[in-house]
Amino acid sequence: AQSVTQPDIHITVSEGASLELRCNYSYGATPYLFWYVQSPGQGLQLLLKYFSGDTLVQGIKGFEAEFKRSQSSFNLRKPSVHWSDAAEYFCAGGSPTNFGNEKLTFGTGTRLTIIP
Amino acid sequence: DGGITQSPKYLFRKEGQNVTLSCEQNLNHDAMYWYRQDPGQGLRLIYYSQIVNDFQKGDIAEGYSVSREKKESFPLTVTSAQKNPTAFYLCASSQLTGTSGELFFGEGSRLTVL
Repeated sequence: AQSVTQPDIHITVSEGASLELRCNYSYGATPYLFWYVQSPGQGLQLLLKYFSGDTLVQGIKGFEAEFKRSQSSFNLRKPSVHWSDAAEYFCAGGSPTNFGNEKLTFGTGTRLTIIP
Repeated sequence: DGGITQSPKYLFRKEGQNVTLSCEQNLNHDAMYWYRQDPGQGLRLIYYSQIVNDFQKGDIAEGYSVSREKKESFPLTVTSAQKNPTAFYLCASSQLTGTSGELFFGEGSRLTVL
């Protein structure tokens, strides 16, 4: 079955430190992959997406993600976090062989806390 | 500005009552979706619609109903048959052709059953 897994439920990082949020996928073919961010009580905002081509994807707010086929991963990174990055982050995947947004599978999310 | 508007933001319901959550988009998107979000469970698809007057069940449609009479509107009714309706509900939309499949989300509606 197609799935997206975020192994970390909660991560705490000091302000100014680097960040990496993990996302693993299980698809028969290379999936479409997305990272979304959600502030408390708000909707989701797209940070970045991967469809094909360059495996290092740049997004908004200084985030980037790297698609690694050998590790079935699409980890989100930021070199230096700001207090405003505290939020919940969702990885999502869709199958290119049966593409439709109704087929998107979301991970369970990683809550990011930033400490001074 | 283009976007998705959900209302109300907060809603309280007594057991046995039906409630309707509104979702309107002015992005001219073909497809619209309703998701339910519970802590630690990510987003689960309730219903989606790719065209006016047509909609499909998602993974957890039981106890919910929708309509799509206009392209810009996709209201969700939480019926009394939904056993555990307290949750955060998110509406989303997307364009189906010539795009990379990005979902645009509203700000959500929090339903609490008293």
